[in-house]
Amino acid sequence: QSVLTQPPSASGTPGQRVTISCSGSSSNIGSNYVYWYQQLPGTAPKLLIYRNDQRPSGVPDRFSGSKSGTSASLAISGLRSEDEADYYCAAWDDSLSGWVFGGGTRLTVL
Amino acid sequence: QVQLVQSGAEVKKPGASVKVSCRASRYTFTGYYMHWVRQAPGQGLEWMGWINPNSGGTNYAQRFQGRVTMTRDTSISTAYMELSRLRSDDTAVYYCARGEQLWVAKGWFDPWGQGTLVTVSS
Repeated sequence: QSVLTQPPSASGTPGQRVTISCSGSSSNIGSNYVYWYQQLPGTAPKLLIYRNDQRPSGVPDRFSGSKSGTSASLAISGLRSEDEADYYCAAWDDSLSGWVFGGGTRLTVL
Repeated sequence: QVQLVQSGAEVKKPGASVKVSCRASRYTFTGYYMHWVRQAPGQGLEWMGWINPNSGGTNYAQRFQGRVTMTRDTSISTAYMELSRLRSDDTAVYYCARGEQLWVAKGWFDPWGQGTLVTVSS
């Protein structure tokens, strides 16, 4: 049971826009930044979004993040086949004094 | 670019210990936190803790307290994670991941090592 809650799966067709939600509490998302990681099949995770809505250099602007209260979202527009991966949200939890992750969302491009 | 190279796969018996290494290159090793994250087969990511390579200070996740030890050797820019009293449910891929600079306590994990598979089986 993960501290942050994500839907286990999401899907879309090429060109569509999909969103992945991440729900937490006042001790994590509500008071700290949210980070998103992309894990392509068989590879290590990669930083996708940092500090709620910032993109590292090299990450396409098709990817965007947002946060409101104790929830966050990752949006992917112009969906492409190479976006098929697992996506994880993460945040620092003040009560646990540690990092917590969502359970991950597997994105399928139909 | 920044690179983290981990040691190879391990097979251990229940009750044993395992020590995984993570060699860093192309940045100032003592200037950034190093985190350890694990992923059981088919499961999500689980943070285990971090080490401050400059001071050697550590912060472990509560569920690993007493079983995990994170150390570093600054002379060879290498971080280590040792997990003791292994159980079958410790079977996982263990990743090291660089944190942000030491004045950013709650920053990103980037980049990640390639992962080390640890299998615990009798």
